[in-house]
Amino acid sequence: DAGVIQSPRHEVTEMGQEVTLRCKPISGHDYLFWYRQTMMRGLELLIYFNNNVPIDDSGMPEDRFSAKMPNASFSTLKIQPSEPRDSAVYFCASRGTLTDTQYFGPGTRLTVL
Amino acid sequence: AQSVTQPDIHITVSEGASLELRCNYSYGATPYLFWYVQSPGQGLQLLLKYFSGDTLVQGIKGFEAEFKRSQSSFNLRKPSVHWSDAAEYFCAVGASTNAGKSTFGDGTTLTVKP
Repeated sequence: DAGVIQSPRHEVTEMGQEVTLRCKPISGHDYLFWYRQTMMRGLELLIYFNNNVPIDDSGMPEDRFSAKMPNASFSTLKIQPSEPRDSAVYFCASRGTLTDTQYFGPGTRLTVL
Repeated sequence: AQSVTQPDIHITVSEGASLELRCNYSYGATPYLFWYVQSPGQGLQLLLKYFSGDTLVQGIKGFEAEFKRSQSSFNLRKPSVHWSDAAEYFCAVGASTNAGKSTFGDGTTLTVKP
């Protein structure tokens, strides 16, 4: 298995631009999580899905952030418009119902200038 | 609500020395407990996990952790640290019966001196 796949690995953009981060979970996993990691705030859970349905989005910082999971093998996290304070590493993780272990992708390092 | 505390932000040990990283959790039922390691520029990798049974669990890379219910702790140990163990370590607690959300500690950064 290829593990959790995230793209792009690095993204540099200017303030005000739209940013889309992508994630492909491990095949067969029915939970998908989006995290943000910064030096100041550590690892924060933004949102998670179960069977493609958003379960808890209380960690989404504001309306500029949105996440979708149109099918079991793909999810996106979108920021529109982006701001410099959104600069962080964004991780996607997935797990199966029976494993209860999250497997993390390599992350996307986002820099907003 | 579940929570995790890692009291040590940064630990430095000499190569070959033993290591213990502390983790305390708060959870109302039997927790699922995890330790993850994150090398610079990498994602989090699972080291070990505890769900039930033997309270001493073995993980990858020679790590082990002991679940102590009376102390609400799940400390990570390694008898002899290697330079390649330098990384950030995260403890996490999750529930088996909820929708699968885990709560992570703030992490402990390990530096290994030659």
